[in-house]
Amino acid sequence: AQRVTQPEKLLSVFKGAPVELKCNYSYSGSPELFWYVQYSRQRLQLLLRHISRESIKGFTADLNKGETSFHLKKPFAQEEDSAMYYCALSVKGTYKYIFGTGTRLKVLA
Amino acid sequence: DTGVSQNPRHKITKRGQNVTFRCDPISEHNRLYWYRQTLGQGPEFLTYFQNEAQLEKSRLLSDRFSAERPKGSFSTLEIQRTEQGDSAMYLCASSFAEGTEAFFGQGTRLTVV
Repeated sequence: AQRVTQPEKLLSVFKGAPVELKCNYSYSGSPELFWYVQYSRQRLQLLLRHISRESIKGFTADLNKGETSFHLKKPFAQEEDSAMYYCALSVKGTYKYIFGTGTRLKVLA
Repeated sequence: DTGVSQNPRHKITKRGQNVTFRCDPISEHNRLYWYRQTLGQGPEFLTYFQNEAQLEKSRLLSDRFSAERPKGSFSTLEIQRTEQGDSAMYLCASSFAEGTEAFFGQGTRLTVV
């Protein structure tokens, strides 16, 4: 079965510290993975997707097929990074996105 | 076109009443999705349209739920005989093609009392 797991409900870090938000997936084929972010009182929006291999707002995520992971990383956290982060899997041929339960990131001053 | 629009933003209804939500997707997007999100959970897939055709429905969508997308433009989600367990945020999203970015609306928060 297709599944996305985000083991941490809450992650608190100090400003300037490195951040890693964990995401593991279960999928038999070649996955398309995304990170979505929801800032306070705003809609869910795309942060980055694995096939573009880009860095957005200093965040990067590398797909590790061996470990079935797509962890989100940033070397130096900023207060404005505080938000809810969701990892999502797009399943080919089924039209849907499967989301993890989300991790709330709190960046402390 | 400023993005996916959902109306109403909030809805409080008494148990047993029917409610209808509307979603206006980004105009050039032919794919439209409905998701439901409860506290502490990520969005859960409900149903999907490609143009006017409803191509997939989740088992979460009981017989009391119905969705339409006439003419492949806006979509409505109706819940009949609402129950307290239907209380949730209902999210609509649209995308241009499979595997591409899904753009989300701000959601309709339903409270069944």
